[in-house]
Amino acid sequence: DAGVTQSPTHLIKTRGQQVTLRCSPISGHKSVSWYQQVLGQGPQFIFQYYEKEERGRGNFPDRFSARQFPNYSSELNVNALLLGDSALYLCASSLADGRQFFGPGTRLTVL
Amino acid sequence: GENVEQHPSTLSVQEGDSAVIKCTYSDSASNYFPWYKQELGKRPQLIIDIRSNVGEKKDQRIAVTLNKTAKHFSLHITETQPEDSAVYFCAASASGGYQKVTFGTGTKLQVIP
Repeated sequence: DAGVTQSPTHLIKTRGQQVTLRCSPISGHKSVSWYQQVLGQGPQFIFQYYEKEERGRGNFPDRFSARQFPNYSSELNVNALLLGDSALYLCASSLADGRQFFGPGTRLTVL
Repeated sequence: GENVEQHPSTLSVQEGDSAVIKCTYSDSASNYFPWYKQELGKRPQLIIDIRSNVGEKKDQRIAVTLNKTAKHFSLHITETQPEDSAVYFCAASASGGYQKVTFGTGTKLQVIP
């Protein structure tokens, strides 16, 4: 039984570039959430999607966007990268009971 | 918005002793409180959760208590083992886990053999 998967595992970009991160939820899970985790801190909520609809948005600038596809996979896009965007980006999927299960994350480094 | 505070930030216990981590939340509408364990370099792992219609929940050596009046909830680990060493995060959600989950700042637990 495969868990949440994310790609790529690591990514290095330079300031001003754009990045796309991908997430595949656990089979049967229709909700996907995205979080940013800076070293030494708890995950910070970015977005949640359910059945391709945005259900929630955290306090992140418009440079951050996301979408969910018919197969419930999701992409997180970040434009005009800043040094401060360097972090671990986590995706979590959940069933109707709301319990969230995390993927391994994508480590983004912005130089 | 919701604010979750977590204490202590670090905790060292002897193997076999108990560990307690405490969290407070600000949004009285919060109704779902999960706890995650994150080992170094790994993903957060859901270890236990509680909903606002329950005051206490136990799973083997782990228990969580919730005081809605005081807006407090706590994680209790009994008979600690070295493999319990990790960072623990509490979290709160006013939507049962949907829309937004707010995490605490984490507690680094070290279990000394």
